[in-house]
Amino acid sequence: KQEVTQIPAALSVPEGENLVLNCSFTDSAIYNLQWFRQDPGKGLTSLLLIQSSQREQTSGRLNASLDKSSGRSTLYIAASQPGDSATYLCAVRLYAGNKLVFGAGTILRVKS
Amino acid sequence: EPEVTQTPSHQVTQMGQEVILRCVPISNHLYFYWYRQILGQKVEFLVSFYNNEISEKSEIFDDQFSVERPDGSNFTLKIRSTKLEDSAMYFCASSPRMAVSYNEQFFGPGTRLTVL
Repeated sequence: KQEVTQIPAALSVPEGENLVLNCSFTDSAIYNLQWFRQDPGKGLTSLLLIQSSQREQTSGRLNASLDKSSGRSTLYIAASQPGDSATYLCAVRLYAGNKLVFGAGTILRVKS
Repeated sequence: EPEVTQTPSHQVTQMGQEVILRCVPISNHLYFYWYRQILGQKVEFLVSFYNNEISEKSEIFDDQFSVERPDGSNFTLKIRSTKLEDSAMYFCASSPRMAVSYNEQFFGPGTRLTVL
């Protein structure tokens, strides 16, 4: 059974810092991996999708990497801003089926 | 930019009552999903739907749950007899296609269901 783990569970950083969020998964037979942002009481906003054949994807200040063989992905946020404060969720889609399996998330707080 | 919409944003119901949660997926998408998130817990998959039938469902999606696409735009989740433990945020999602590695799922804002 696929398990997705995110470390750290919470992170508080001063504005301007570069930071890394980690995601690991137990079954490497994945189609893709998505990173989402969730604001309190709100829906999920897709940030980046990495296909299983890709090593990384970039969007603005965000860069996500994928090492499928070791079951790891990282989300790198450059020059963090208070508006980046949210919960960041990692989810993998397995070859078998089309559901996403989510991690518990990292709660990020960027202090001004 | 096209987005998934959900109504209502918050639904309060009494235990044992039926509820219907509504979603309008992105218009050219073919695959539809329901997920839920109990407060403080992970987002969990409930069901996926394609070509007017369920393509996959989780253990949570028992006989109390059903999904329907009643017309060309809406996608609904019905809970026949709500329980206290059904209280959660319910998310609808859609994606343009399934069997490709770049298939991205887009989520709606959620419906918060409170069962009293």
